[in-house]
Amino acid sequence: QMQLQESGPGLVKPSETLSVTCNVSGGSIDKYYWAWIRQSPGKGLEWIGYVYYNGVTNYNLSLRSRVTISVDTSKSHFSLRLKSASAADTAVYYCARDTGSHYDYWGRGILVTVSS
Amino acid sequence: NFLLTQPHSVSEFPGRTVTISCTRSSGSIASNYVQWSQQRPGSAPTSVIYEDDQRPSGVPDRFSGSIDTSTNSASLTISGLKTEDEADYYCQSYDSGNRMVFGGGTKLTVL
Repeated sequence: QMQLQESGPGLVKPSETLSVTCNVSGGSIDKYYWAWIRQSPGKGLEWIGYVYYNGVTNYNLSLRSRVTISVDTSKSHFSLRLKSASAADTAVYYCARDTGSHYDYWGRGILVTVSS
Repeated sequence: NFLLTQPHSVSEFPGRTVTISCTRSSGSIASNYVQWSQQRPGSAPTSVIYEDDQRPSGVPDRFSGSIDTSTNSASLTISGLKTEDEADYYCQSYDSGNRMVFGGGTKLTVL
């Protein structure tokens, strides 16, 4: 059974870089898109972007200048980096597998708080 | 780009049927497949409908999806409501640049 697990610092200082990694187990990272979605406290879902297993990326236009998503197939994980973090980036960050038609597996999410 | 607009909340009694709408602001609703996700309190979302009307394995047939080009909207219908269906529901669709757009979400209360 495929499982996705987010990991990373739960607290990030303003202006620093927020980094989260999603470890993929129980299946191959090949031939799929791997997405990041976030949810600010009490708010709806916001798509951040995805990386294809071959490294091709696509980002939310409103975050594009600050976001980098990368994949390491040898370690079966993919990562999100969001630079110049601010309080507005405080959210639960979810990773998900995108089949091209839907997100069939999601991680449990990780709360990242941006605060000094 | 387009917006997907959902009602903020809906409520219905157990055993009844409820429909949640998702209206696309520009471009045809039929241009890109619509997905629906369910998010129970404190949990990650899960897919309940994809490609407008397809159910992932394990999702009961009480859940159904459709699109209506005349109203440029998609709908999620849940029949035989159960208390376990109480959750937030999100519609989502790719735009022309293959970027995902989420609706604002609808809180379903089972009375």
